[in-house]
Amino acid sequence: AQSVSQHNHHVILSEAASLELGCNYSYGGTVNLFWYVQYPGQHLQLLLKYFSGDPLVKGIKGFEAEFIKSKFSFNLRKPSVQWSDTAEYFCAVNINAGNNRKLIWGLGTSLAVNP
Amino acid sequence: DARVTQTPRHKVTEMGQEVTMRCQPILGHNTVFWYRQTMMQGLELLAYFRNRAPLDDSGMPKDRFSAEMPDATLATLKIQPSEPRDSAVYFCASGSYYTEAFFGQGTRLTVV
Repeated sequence: AQSVSQHNHHVILSEAASLELGCNYSYGGTVNLFWYVQYPGQHLQLLLKYFSGDPLVKGIKGFEAEFIKSKFSFNLRKPSVQWSDTAEYFCAVNINAGNNRKLIWGLGTSLAVNP
Repeated sequence: DARVTQTPRHKVTEMGQEVTMRCQPILGHNTVFWYRQTMMQGLELLAYFRNRAPLDDSGMPKDRFSAEMPDATLATLKIQPSEPRDSAVYFCASGSYYTEAFFGQGTRLTVV
């Protein structure tokens, strides 16, 4: 069955530390990839997305992600985190399942950034 | 600025009462999702519609939950009868074949 795995459930960092959150999916066909962020008490917002082209995608607030097709991965990175990056981060993969597209979500990674 | 609109934003109700949550997807989006989020279970897909037809509602308890799209501008999620374990934030999201999912602000449901 198709699935999305986020390896880190909880991450605690100090400000200015570098961040990398892992995301792997299990599906051999064409995918679109997303990272969403959910700040405390808010709804999910798109951080960045990959549909095609350059596998290194830049999103908002200094985040970027790299699609490595051979590894079925789409890891999220930020060189220097801020306290305001404290949030829940979700990886999602849109797959082609027959005639339908299906959006599959990871369980999320909770990031706490200490000032 | 196009956005997904959910009503109500907050709902407190007594166990056994019917609850109806509404969602207005972004105009032109043909896919609508209903999600439930709790601390224990995280983000769960309840149902999703494409062109108003339900494609997958396997995540939804069928005995008490129902989801419909009476028209392209309205999606509803109904719980009857509600139970305390239904307390959660319910998100609606819409998208199209070529875009990401856009989320509404959510309905925070408390069943006492």
